[in-house]
Amino acid sequence: ETGVTQSPTHLIKTRGQQVTLRCSSQSGHNTVSWYQQALGQGPQFIFQYYREEENGRGNFPPRFSGLQFPNYSSELNVNALELDDSALYLCASSEPTRSTQYFGPGTRLTVL
Amino acid sequence: AQSVTQLDSQVPVFEEAPVELRCNYSSSVSVYLFWYVQYPNQGLQLLLKYLSGSTLVKGINGFEAEFNKSQTSFHLRKPSVHISDTAEYFCAVSDLLQGAQKLVFGQGTRLTINP
Repeated sequence: ETGVTQSPTHLIKTRGQQVTLRCSSQSGHNTVSWYQQALGQGPQFIFQYYREEENGRGNFPPRFSGLQFPNYSSELNVNALELDDSALYLCASSEPTRSTQYFGPGTRLTVL
Repeated sequence: AQSVTQLDSQVPVFEEAPVELRCNYSSSVSVYLFWYVQYPNQGLQLLLKYLSGSTLVKGINGFEAEFNKSQTSFHLRKPSVHISDTAEYFCAVSDLLQGAQKLVFGQGTRLTINP
């Protein structure tokens, strides 16, 4: 069974640029959630996708957006990058109607 | 909305000693509770979870946790730690937001094992 995978591992961008992060969910999981983990902090919920629709969003501005594809993989897009967007971005997948989320290894984004 | 407080930001212990990492959550309604471990430069690995049933939950790597509803606590314990347990540990509670089951995390506890 393949776990949650994310790409790329690391990314360096400059302020104002746009970035796309990718996530493949664990086999059999149709729900994908994204979290932002700033240095020294716990992860913060960005949003969740279920059946290709966003079904919940945390306290993040609209320049954070996402997609989910028919194979349940997902993308996180961030426009107009700011220095404070530097963080580890974690993707998690879960089974339908299940509360347990399984995380990928994360993408480390550095904004200069 | 739910919140989670991890009472210790850092816990140093000697190898083979017991350890307890403390976690309190805010809600008095039915909750799902989790402990995750994060090794350096890695994602989160699920250690254990409480969904219902027995209040003593056993997880991987010899860890266990006890759900205490009256004290709204979910403390993590291990009777004898190893060097390899050095990591950041996060307590989380599941919360419902606009139809999404999201996780609310504590700030984390850094466990350092000294030889």
